[in-house]
Amino acid sequence: QSVLTQPPSMSGAPGQEITISCSGSSSTIGDNFVYWYKQLPGTAPTLLIYRNNQRASGVPDRFSGSKSGTSAFLAISGLRSDDEADYLCSSWDDKLSGPVFGGGTKVTVL
Amino acid sequence: QVQLVESGGGVAQPGGSLRLSCDVSGFTFRNFGMYWVRQAPGQGLEWVAVVWYDGIRKFYADSVKGRFTVSRDNDNTKVYLEMKSLRVEDTAVYYCAKPGCSHDCYQPPDSWGQGTLVTVSS
Repeated sequence: QSVLTQPPSMSGAPGQEITISCSGSSSTIGDNFVYWYKQLPGTAPTLLIYRNNQRASGVPDRFSGSKSGTSAFLAISGLRSDDEADYLCSSWDDKLSGPVFGGGTKVTVL
Repeated sequence: QVQLVESGGGVAQPGGSLRLSCDVSGFTFRNFGMYWVRQAPGQGLEWVAVVWYDGIRKFYADSVKGRFTVSRDNDNTKVYLEMKSLRVEDTAVYYCAKPGCSHDCYQPPDSWGQGTLVTVSS
């Protein structure tokens, strides 16, 4: 079981917007920054968003991050076929003294 | 740019050992802690260990505590993960990863290696 909770899957039509949630606790998201990654099958995660809402280099502004209390959100607007991937969130866990991750959300573009 | 290259993965028997290495370049290595994170087949990411920039402070996930040892060589910009008493459930791709900030940084990774596969099977 992952420490952070994400919906297992989401889908949307090309051009639509989806928002992926990531739920944690006061010792994780509530007290720390959130990062978001994109992962394609058989490859390492790549950084999309860091420190809650900062886009990584080369990431289009269709991707945006936000945080409220013990939850974080990744919005993807103008969905494209190449957005199909797993999206994972991560934060620090004050109790574990290490980073923790969500189980990932598989995004399908219809 | 940041480069993290893992090596040392392979097949080990239950109870056996393996040593993973991660060659690092592209940033001031001695100023950054380093993580090991693993991903079992079809599963999510699991943090395994962190070694802080000073090489002294080290923390481990409960699932590997007492069996795995993380270390670093700041002169040669390498990170290691010594794995002993391996179990079938340790089967995973192991990634080394760089934190999103330097020194005492309590943030997730911002860069990842390509990963090395460890398979524990009899």
